Amino acid sequence: AQSVAQPEDQVNVAEGNPLTVKCTYSVSGNPYLFWYVQYPNRGLQFLLKYITGDNLVKGSYGFEAEFNKSQTSFHLKKPSALVSDSALYFCAVSRTWNSGGSNYKLTFGKGTLLTVNP
Amino acid sequence: DADVTQTPRNRITKTGKRIMLECSQTKGHDRMYWYRQDPGLGLRLIYYSFDVKDINKGEISDGYSVSRQAQAKFSLSLESAIPNQTALYFCATSDYKTGRLSYNEQFFGPGTRLTVL
Repeated sequence: AQSVAQPEDQVNVAEGNPLTVKCTYSVSGNPYLFWYVQYPNRGLQFLLKYITGDNLVKGSYGFEAEFNKSQTSFHLKKPSALVSDSALYFCAVSRTWNSGGSNYKLTFGKGTLLTVNP
Repeated sequence: DADVTQTPRNRITKTGKRIMLECSQTKGHDRMYWYRQDPGLGLRLIYYSFDVKDINKGEISDGYSVSRQAQAKFSLSLESAIPNQTALYFCATSDYKTGRLSYNEQFFGPGTRLTVL
């Protein structure tokens, strides 16, 4: 079984400060990892993904995430937070194509509510 | 994502009523999914479909049914709605490619907020 843990229900940061939203995962074989963002009254929007290669992945709106295989983590980061970054963030994991079985399943974490204070 | 649309966007209904939520996509993707979102629980998979003739149950399919009318359309029905089905429902799509390109990146509709009284 695969799973995702987002240990913080809420993260509060001041505008201009760096932010980190944590994610750890469990999956058989190698993972594909994703971050999605949900703004109020909106659907989920794709931010970035890790497939293979460089452990530091850059995505939309200045976000980046670092894949750490030994710690099974994929933390989302941004050097300087904006008030407009306030939203609900979801981490998700899927097995890679060569991990066997069906790779259809995208498993989501429970979400972390990010609030950036002016 | 404007390529995945859901109707209605909001619905209030009463216990015991039959409800259908519709999803359409113009992305040309083969795979479609229905999720529900509850506060503190994240997204949970209800049903998924790999193509028109391939429909599968997800984690929480009890009380729900689906219909894949065409590659672009995937409907979710609540045969007899109950209050604990009050939630935000999302449709998603993904493109299937054989081999290493099957990343399963999913694209989401705007959601349907369903309230069962």
